[in-house]
Parts: sequence; C-alpha cells; structure tokens
Amino acid sequence: DTEVTQTPKHLVMGMTNKKSLKCEQHMGHRAMYWYKQKAKKPPELMFVYSYEKLSINESVPSRFSPECPNSSLLNLHLHALQPEDSALYLCASSPLFRVGTDTQYFGPGTRLTVL
Amino acid sequence: AQTVTQSQPEMSVQEAETVTLSCTYDTSESDYYLFWYKQPPSRQMILVIRQEAYKQQNATENRFSVNFQKAAKSFSLKISDSQLGDAAMYFCALNGGSQGNLIFGKGTKLSVKP
Repeated sequence: DTEVTQTPKHLVMGMTNKKSLKCEQHMGHRAMYWYKQKAKKPPELMFVYSYEKLSINESVPSRFSPECPNSSLLNLHLHALQPEDSALYLCASSPLFRVGTDTQYFGPGTRLTVL
Repeated sequence: AQTVTQSQPEMSVQEAETVTLSCTYDTSESDYYLFWYKQPPSRQMILVIRQEAYKQQNATENRFSVNFQKAAKSFSLKISDSQLGDAAMYFCALNGGSQGNLIFGKGTKLSVKP
C-alpha cells in the first residue's frame, strides 16, 4: 500500500484566517515532505522532516508553519496568507532507506485559494 | 548543482501508438535515482517508473519503459499502446542529493487522441 492521504481536498480562506493542512501515511516511512505547486509548474519543495525532525526549510515565509506530531502525521499551519499563496499543496513520504536515493510517494494534494 | 531538463513542453500521440518523452539531467553524484511521475488533471502525482543509476538494465513497468543512457545523462520514457488515460503532465525527476530532495523538470504535457 503506497497511500498518502491529505485533508482537506479544497480550502478557501481569507488573509486573516488560520487554517491547517493535514497529511497522513501508514507505510512506516520516516521522511515526509511539503511541496507547493502552481499551475503548469513542477512542485517546489517547502519542508522536509526526517525522523520527525525538520531537516530542510527552503526559506519558506513564516506564515507557513510545519509540524510533525509523529512519524505518520504532517501538518502545515497557515496564517495571514497572501493571494499569491494560492496553489496546490502536495504532501509526500519516503522510506528513507538511504538518504539521497529514496522514492517519494505523493498524496492527492490540497487546492488552496486565498481571497 | 543538479538539474533536470525536459525539452518538450507538449506532446501528442494517437491512441494505441507509441510515444517517447525526453529528459536530460546533470548531477555530480555517483549514486542516484531517476523517476517519471504522471500528474493527470485530477492532480495526484503518480509514480510511473524509477531507475537506479547503478543498474544498467532499463526499467520497465507494463507499457512504460525507459531508455537510460548514463554517460549521456539521458533518461527518456517510452509509452507503448497509448491509452486515453495516459493523458497527463509527465515530470522527470532526480533524487541524488545529500538532502534527499527531488529535482523536477518543467514537465511535458501529453495529449492522447482517440
């Protein structure tokens, strides 16, 4: 089973709202990722968690706050977003057998619209 | 720096025909993986096929196969007996850095004509 789930599927929020995106995997993977994808563009890496610790933060604005409560869950807390943050947010996980040569499995994504 | 280049923004194929999508890459790593991901309009990124750099044999998955030319740093995807459900954006990706992050190409949009 290579399933990564994400909720919600769609989210519309105002610039003053606080919301959270949720990602879950039950494959025993030890690395989890957040990507942002704009229309007709490849995904852009935002954050990487390895063994529940933040290992990569690609200079993402502080209005995006990741959290990894346990090895199966990954959250992305959103606050004071801008309209340009509207995008598809993808979560992925990988086994982390060997850093640098890992296979990532993606969730279905959350379509975020910021008004 | 690692890079992935897909030079074909769009491709079209007739149903039941064969199409090849191109990808070139650059990396200084000796141990790395290459991937093709498919992203249909439903938007989920689906792993199509992967190739381990140290394996000389080209990977195959049913109708999907790759032509991996390590010296030329080329990694093309061949789709045989194309089906309407193959219509999607296809991304070539490289994983070989110490951080483990994927490097994506810009994608190739594949259309399948009935």
